[in-house]
Amino acid sequence: GQSLEQPSEVTAVEGAIVQINCTYQTSGFYGLSWYQQHDGGAPTFLSYNALDGLEETGRFSSFLSRSDSYGYLLLQELQMKDSASYFCAVSEGGKLIFGQGTELSVKP
Amino acid sequence: KAGVTQTPRYLIKTRGQQVTLSCSPISGHRSVSWYQQTPGQGLQFLFEYFSETQRNKGNFPGRFSGRQFSNSRSEMNVSTLELGDSALYLCASSLRQAVNTEAFFGQGTRLTVV
Repeated sequence: GQSLEQPSEVTAVEGAIVQINCTYQTSGFYGLSWYQQHDGGAPTFLSYNALDGLEETGRFSSFLSRSDSYGYLLLQELQMKDSASYFCAVSEGGKLIFGQGTELSVKP
Repeated sequence: KAGVTQTPRYLIKTRGQQVTLSCSPISGHRSVSWYQQTPGQGLQFLFEYFSETQRNKGNFPGRFSGRQFSNSRSEMNVSTLELGDSALYLCASSLRQAVNTEAFFGQGTRLTVV
């Protein structure tokens, strides 16, 4: 089967940088995705890594190391609106297997 | 363009009843997936449809079923509701069934079983 591990909670202050880690165990690996979900809202896609290395999209970056079965999401210049849950997910055909989610709290 | 639309947004049902949830994907998207989200279990995959065919199924009992119509709209049905079925049910659509395809989620249907 497939499983993903990520921290349950992270707290940071406005303007800081925070890293959310994700380790995975999969029978077949096609890539690691990250989604953001605000309380009661729809998960929204943030980034996808199929190959090793860093992908940057504005204030958000995502990293993947396939040899270590590890990835992370890096959020820079944190804003209050970044307070949300962040999920890593692996793709298997048309289905996404999600981690349990990391609740990020950004404090002033 | 319009996003993924799920109806209804909120639903309260009694144990033993059945329920049907609806999902209209983004225009042109042929893949529709359903997920159950609960505080204890997180986001769990239910099933995925592509061009009216169920391509993948998660580890849920047979009480959970779904279908997709020729216009890509999808419905999921839960029969003989149990208290544990209370959850946020999310639908996601994708342009195609590719492994790196971004999934677009709807706002979900919050089902409460009493």
